[in-house]
Amino acid sequence: AQSVTQLGSHVSVSEGALVLLRCNYSSSVPPYLFWYVQYPNQGLQLLLKYTSAATLVKGINGFEAEFKKSETSFHLTKPSAHMSDAAEYFCAVLSGGYNKLIFGAGTRLAVHP
Amino acid sequence: EPEVTQTPSHQVTQMGQEVILRCVPISNHLYFYWYRQILGQKVEFLVSFYNNEISEKSEIFDDQFSVERPDGSNFTLKIRSTKLEDSAMYFCASSVGLAGENEQFFGPGTRLTVL
Repeated sequence: AQSVTQLGSHVSVSEGALVLLRCNYSSSVPPYLFWYVQYPNQGLQLLLKYTSAATLVKGINGFEAEFKKSETSFHLTKPSAHMSDAAEYFCAVLSGGYNKLIFGAGTRLAVHP
Repeated sequence: EPEVTQTPSHQVTQMGQEVILRCVPISNHLYFYWYRQILGQKVEFLVSFYNNEISEKSEIFDDQFSVERPDGSNFTLKIRSTKLEDSAMYFCASSVGLAGENEQFFGPGTRLTVL
C-alpha cells in the first residue's frame, strides 16, 4: 500500500531563506509523487509531479523537488522564500490503481519578513 | 483557463438532514473524484467515478454517500443523513485521463458544517 509522511506540520522561514519541506513515501510500485499547495480558502493547486522521468522535478513558482529512491524521499525546496509562498503544502502519492491520491498530513509554511 | 467549480462554498445543515454538494468538472474530463478534509487533518479520498460508475471508493464512503453525474456536466455528492463527523471541507477533482500522467484538477471546496 502507498503512503506518505510529511515531517514537520509547521515550518517558518525568513523571506529570502531556503525553503525545505520534507516528504517520505512508501510504495509497493514505482511511485507517482506530487506536491500540492493550498492557499487560504482555496482549493489544491499542483506545484509539481514526479512520474519516473527526471529525478529532479521543477514546478511552478520556483519550487523543485528531488526524487531519491534510496531514501524514499521527495522533498520540496525553493532557494529563496517569498511572502506569497505562505500556504499549506501537501505531498501525495498515487495509489497503485492510479485512481486516487493519498495525501500526507500537510506542512504549513510561514514566511516572515 | 478551465477550472473545476463547486457550489455552495459553505453549507450548514442539521444532523440527520440530506445534503447535496455540487461540482462542475472541466468539460473534457472523464474521471471525477471527491475528497474531504476534516479540519486540521489530511485530505482523504472518498470516491472516484468514470463512465457513469464508481471505479473506487474508500471505507469512509458508506451507504450514506452516493455520487451521480445527472446531466453530463454536474457531478454531485449526496450525503443522505448527515452526522456531526461529516463536517469537513469537500473537494471535487477531475482529470482528462487516469491520474499519474494526467493531473487531477481540484475545485475550491465546499465547507460542510453539521450542527
